[in-house]
Amino acid sequence: AQKITQTQPGMFVQEKEAVTLDCTYDTSDQSYGLFWYKQPSSGEMIFLIYQGSYDEQNATEGRYSLNFQKARKSANLVISASQLGDSAMYFCAMRPVEYSGAGSYQLTFGKGTKLSVIP
Amino acid sequence: SAVISQKPSRDICQRGTSLTIQCQVDSQVTMMFWYRQQPGQSLTLIATANQGSEATYESGFVIDKFPISRPNLTFSTLTVSNMSPEDSSIYLCSAQGASYEQYFGPGTRLTVT
Repeated sequence: AQKITQTQPGMFVQEKEAVTLDCTYDTSDQSYGLFWYKQPSSGEMIFLIYQGSYDEQNATEGRYSLNFQKARKSANLVISASQLGDSAMYFCAMRPVEYSGAGSYQLTFGKGTKLSVIP
Repeated sequence: SAVISQKPSRDICQRGTSLTIQCQVDSQVTMMFWYRQQPGQSLTLIATANQGSEATYESGFVIDKFPISRPNLTFSTLTVSNMSPEDSSIYLCSAQGASYEQYFGPGTRLTVT
């Protein structure tokens, strides 16, 4: 079984500042993937960034970077130079890499962090 | 990346009726999923839509309530049957292709009165 924990229900950040959203996970799988999604008030889930458990370098996608610390089982999302449009819910999720039967390939989500960017 | 569309985007339905949600992907994908997001909550997987066979349902979800079809590699439907106010949620279609990335449709916002 997999579990994702996001301990920050809400966060505030000043526009143009950097912010870190926390995510810890628990799994017995050897190979797994970690995802971050953004959900604005419109409801759509926007894929932001992915980190494989065997990737040696931290993933980066534009202003998003993933601070992956495997020994600590953490996968924090760092958003640099926050913009007003970054205000949204952010979900951390994980999934096994190898398919091992029905139901095993699902994404497990955390409860989310609501980020508010202050002008 | 895959582009996923869903219809309808939102609906208001009466208790006891059924609604079918359509999900279309712009490319062939290996796996399609249906998720539910109740108000203020995270996402919960309803089922994996298998092409050419019955869907695989997660604990707490049954085929009679949430029948799913997947006639080909780009299309799936989810029906919410005999609706009650507790079914008011956002329903999201998701797809995974050959790579690790998993994408979501824009969601269907359902309100049951």
